[in-house]
Amino acid sequence: NAGVMQNPRHLVRRRGQEARLRCSPMKGHSHVYWYRQLPEEGLKFMVYLQKENIIDESGMPKERFSAEFPKEGPSILRIQQVVRGDSAAYFCASSPTGETGEQYFGPGTRLTVT
Amino acid sequence: GDSVTQMEGPVTLSEEAFLTINCTYTATGYPSLFWYVQYPGEGLQLLLKATKADDKGSNKGFEATYRKETTSFHLEKGSVQVSDSAVYFCALRGRGSARQLTFGSGTQLTVLP
Repeated sequence: NAGVMQNPRHLVRRRGQEARLRCSPMKGHSHVYWYRQLPEEGLKFMVYLQKENIIDESGMPKERFSAEFPKEGPSILRIQQVVRGDSAAYFCASSPTGETGEQYFGPGTRLTVT
Repeated sequence: GDSVTQMEGPVTLSEEAFLTINCTYTATGYPSLFWYVQYPGEGLQLLLKATKADDKGSNKGFEATYRKETTSFHLEKGSVQVSDSAVYFCALRGRGSARQLTFGSGTQLTVLP
């Protein structure tokens, strides 16, 4: 059973460009969470999605950030007009249901904005 | 809101030394508690968990006990190995409708041979 997959693993963008980060949850998991890890810090929750629904986006910045989890295909975290402060590691996690606290994490996408 | 406070690192130990990483939390009700480990360049792996007071989570020689009275979940290992070198994160998941994990800032552990 493949784990949570994220791609790309490393992404370099210039200021003002768009970044798209993809996450494929574990097989059978329909709940996806995105977290951001700034240098020397712990992970901060961004958004929680189920298929075709955003359940909780309380951790998402109000502007430039959006997320989706379509019926088919991976979950996408999209950052428009990136700035240097967006440089971070972005981790996706999945769980089989929303009730369990056990989330399985992907390897992360390390975004660098130049 | 919920929060997790972890012992600041970095922590450097010799092989076979005893390890304690302190973790305390603030949350409404009785959250579930977790320790995750992150090896260099990788994502987080669940190390152990406890879902109610006095539960002891254990895995790979690591242990942590859910202490409601002190709101703590300290991580311990009796004899560390070089391969235990990693960053350790304490986390909680609240009992309410929120499903996300709240993490501490992480503790970098380096074990020297």
